[in-house]
Amino acid sequence: EAGVVQSPRYKIIEKKQPVAFWCNPISGHNTLYWYLQNLGQGPELLIRYENEEAVDDSQLPKDRFSAERLKGVDSTLKIQPAELGDSAVYLCASSPSEREWDNEQFFGPGTRLTVL
Amino acid sequence: AQSVTQLGSHVSVSEGALVLLRCNYSSSVPPYLFWYVQYPNQGLQLLLKYTSAATLVKGINGFEAEFKKSETSFHLTKPSAHMSDAAEYFCAVSDAGNTGKLIFGQGTTLQVKP
Repeated sequence: EAGVVQSPRYKIIEKKQPVAFWCNPISGHNTLYWYLQNLGQGPELLIRYENEEAVDDSQLPKDRFSAERLKGVDSTLKIQPAELGDSAVYLCASSPSEREWDNEQFFGPGTRLTVL
Repeated sequence: AQSVTQLGSHVSVSEGALVLLRCNYSSSVPPYLFWYVQYPNQGLQLLLKYTSAATLVKGINGFEAEFKKSETSFHLTKPSAHMSDAAEYFCAVSDAGNTGKLIFGQGTTLQVKP
């Protein structure tokens, strides 16, 4: 079974440029998460999807961040414009059922963003 | 609000020695607790989880953790460290609303010396 796929794995951009990250969850997983992981820190949730609906986006900085999950499968996270402080690893995860709280979240390898 | 504190950002042990990674939690409701491992340039992988069943939880790769409500702790242990155990370890608690949101600690880097 394929795991969570993310691309690109690495991205280097200049500040004020836009950037997008893509995530393909494990087949059949209805719940998808985007996390932000700063260096030396644990991941922090940005947004959670149940199928195509964003059910928790309270931590997403909506002035510059946006996300979508069309058709309830793949998801894209966008930053526009990027700032120096956005340099971090962006992790995507998925889980298989409605009982997310005790279910394993399967993480992708992440996209490491460097903003110059 | 839920929170997790991992004591010690770096832990170094010799190969074959006991591994002990400490995690204390704060939760307004009975918690669900998790340990994840992250190898360099990889995503997080679940080691084990506590979901109100047995207080001693066994996970993959010989790791186990014990839930102690009186101490609000969920420490991770392994009797004998292997070189391959060198990684970053994260303790996490599920949020009070049981929505699936995980609140992670800051992580502990485990170094295993030959």
